[in-house]
Amino acid sequence: DGGITQSPKYLFRKEGQNVTLSCEQNLNHDAMYWYRQDPGQGLRLIYYSQIVNDFQKGDIAEGYSVSREKKESFPLTVTSAQKNPTAFYLCASSTIPGTNYGYTFGSGTRLTVV
Amino acid sequence: SQKIEQNSEALNIQEGKTATLTCNYTNYSPAYLQWYRQDPGRGPVFLLLIRENEKEKRKERLKVTFDTTLKQSLFHITASQPADSATYLCALASGGSYIPTFGRGTSLIVHP
Repeated sequence: DGGITQSPKYLFRKEGQNVTLSCEQNLNHDAMYWYRQDPGQGLRLIYYSQIVNDFQKGDIAEGYSVSREKKESFPLTVTSAQKNPTAFYLCASSTIPGTNYGYTFGSGTRLTVV
Repeated sequence: SQKIEQNSEALNIQEGKTATLTCNYTNYSPAYLQWYRQDPGRGPVFLLLIRENEKEKRKERLKVTFDTTLKQSLFHITASQPADSATYLCALASGGSYIPTFGRGTSLIVHP
């Protein structure tokens, strides 16, 4: 079955640590995205990539970094510069934006600072 | 500034009735609008997309309307079932990047 796999499902970070969230898709989608969701909030765009080896900042990129070395993979690193990282992180993929298809989302990673 | 508004209060309805959820927006020239369903602790699931030049889209028990004059989309679920209980998100994309911006979502609770 095609889909997006996010891992881990739960992640705990100590103060000052960098952590990396994994996102892999086998849908052959060109575009991939990272969103952050806080309780009662809409999804906020962190980074997106429409082609391998290229990515763009979203609305809240500060304190995060990404790479897109392979079409299937778009890992997100939450750095120690992100002051309030506790949130639910969602990865998504799509064909080229503007088509008739929506995003396919992963099941999310819940990150907690301890 | 651009704003997408969905009712923050949960919508409670009885099984078998039609649920209607609203998405209002300001300062957008949307190219298209999407609706998603999200269950607790899960990622959103895409339901429907409607373009700026379309008035209505249907899919099984779902219907979406898009009024660019009123700057509003309505999402209807007919013959609602308890299994339809979830949070429903709307997302708008403008021309250019076509990257959608999401609303906060409205919780729907269908009572048996």
